[in-house]
Amino acid sequence: ETGVTQTPRHLVMGMTNKKSLKCEQHLGHNAMYWYKQSAKKPLELMFVYNFKEQTENNSVPSRFSPECPNSSHLFLHLHTLQPEDSALYLCASSQDVGTYNEQFFGPGTRLTVL
Amino acid sequence: KQEVTQIPAALSVPEGENLVLNCSFTDSAIYNLQWFRQDPGKGLTSLLLIQSSQREQTSGRLNASLDKSSGRSTLYIAASQPGDSATYLCAVIPVRFGAGTRLTVKP
Repeated sequence: ETGVTQTPRHLVMGMTNKKSLKCEQHLGHNAMYWYKQSAKKPLELMFVYNFKEQTENNSVPSRFSPECPNSSHLFLHLHTLQPEDSALYLCASSQDVGTYNEQFFGPGTRLTVL
Repeated sequence: KQEVTQIPAALSVPEGENLVLNCSFTDSAIYNLQWFRQDPGKGLTSLLLIQSSQREQTSGRLNASLDKSSGRSTLYIAASQPGDSATYLCAVIPVRFGAGTRLTVKP
């Protein structure tokens, strides 16, 4: 595996379900990011982790719960979601959150909340 | 609050044409600017990264420029091909993305 991988690629869940999205980077990076991409809206940064520590939370509702057990893995735990949470969820990584911050993205998880 | 705007929102050109995509940002205090390509339903592919101290970067048929003082970046695509059809996104660091330009290159 190379680059940034995400699983699952597609997920359909009910509003009462609990599910998790997984991201893994094979680039030796220290920073990882979760983004949300909704139709006709710019990419929205959700969370940033640097060396496993959360450094940014952009006012994301608590029904989204991130977890970063190590610098290579990032999870997004989902519970009690709303239909408006349906979107493409993208994970990215970079060397760190410093100035030289080229980001590399995974293919995304297409989430549909019924 | 940083705002990033991309114009035009959509662009359709015949194959072989040279074209320019525009990105503007309101706060010039950026670390760098990155251009991405996104194919439908897919993740983002990094095209070019311009650090704040640089004025341009080139990769193959792509050339990106950065003018921090005026809050502008352009992505120049030479000799466009149908395979260039995608949505092009610019992002500034600290992270803020534009809404993208959807490019269609017609054979």
